[in-house]
Amino acid sequence: DAGITQSPRYKITETGRQVTLMCHQTWSHSYMFWYRQDLGHGLRLIYYSAAADITDKGEVPDGYVVSRSKTENFPLTLESATRSQTSVYFCASMGLGGATEAFFGQGTRLTVV
Amino acid sequence: AQSVTQLGSHVSVSEGALVLLRCNYSSSVPPYLFWYVQYPNQGLQLLLKYTTGATLVKGINGFEAEFKKSETSFHLTKPSAHMSDAAEYFCAGLNDEKGRRALTFGSGTRLQVQP
Repeated sequence: DAGITQSPRYKITETGRQVTLMCHQTWSHSYMFWYRQDLGHGLRLIYYSAAADITDKGEVPDGYVVSRSKTENFPLTLESATRSQTSVYFCASMGLGGATEAFFGQGTRLTVV
Repeated sequence: AQSVTQLGSHVSVSEGALVLLRCNYSSSVPPYLFWYVQYPNQGLQLLLKYTTGATLVKGINGFEAEFKKSETSFHLTKPSAHMSDAAEYFCAGLNDEKGRRALTFGSGTRLQVQP
C-alpha cells in the first residue's frame, strides 16, 4: 500500500532496554523526519534525514539514534530507554523543492516502565 | 529560523459558532505556513498551506486561514463549527535553509465543540 507506515503502533518496554521504531514510506521522498509529541509541547523534531546516508539532529536528539541506508526506511532507536522517552512518536516524509507538504504516519505510542 | 506560537491550548465553541484558532510566526525569510489537524489516535493531516500568492488560503472541511505579514499571523477560521471538527490543531512553519528542511510546530490547540 502506498503511504507511510510506522511499526509497532504500541510498545511497552522497560527502562534500560533498546527499542527500535520502524518507518517506511513508498513515495521515494527525499526527506524523512522523526518527531515526538508530548502534552504542552506539540511536536518536536528528534532527527531528520535529507537523503539516504544523510541524517542530522533536530531539537531533542539526546538518547536517540537513527540510520537511513535505504531511501524508504528511517528507523529510530532508543539505545537505553528512559521514562522521559515515554511519548507518541511520529514519522513523516517530504519531497524536494516545491513539494512542501509533509505526510505523517499513524504514530507509535511508546511507554517506558 | 522559523518559530511558531499558538495562542490558547484549548478552545471551546458551540456547534454552529465561528471557529478561530490563532497562530503567530517569526521568521526572517518569507514563510511557508501550514495547519494540520489530528484526530484521536491518528497521525496529522494537512488542512491547508500557504506558500506564495493569495493570502487567503482555503483548505479542507470548510477551514481557511489568512496570511497577514503585518501581524505575522496565520489564524485558522471556520464560519460554522461541526461536532466532527473536535480535534487538535497544529500550526507549523517550514524551515528550509542550507539544505536543512523540517517543520517547526506550535504547541497545538485542542478544539472542543459543544452541542
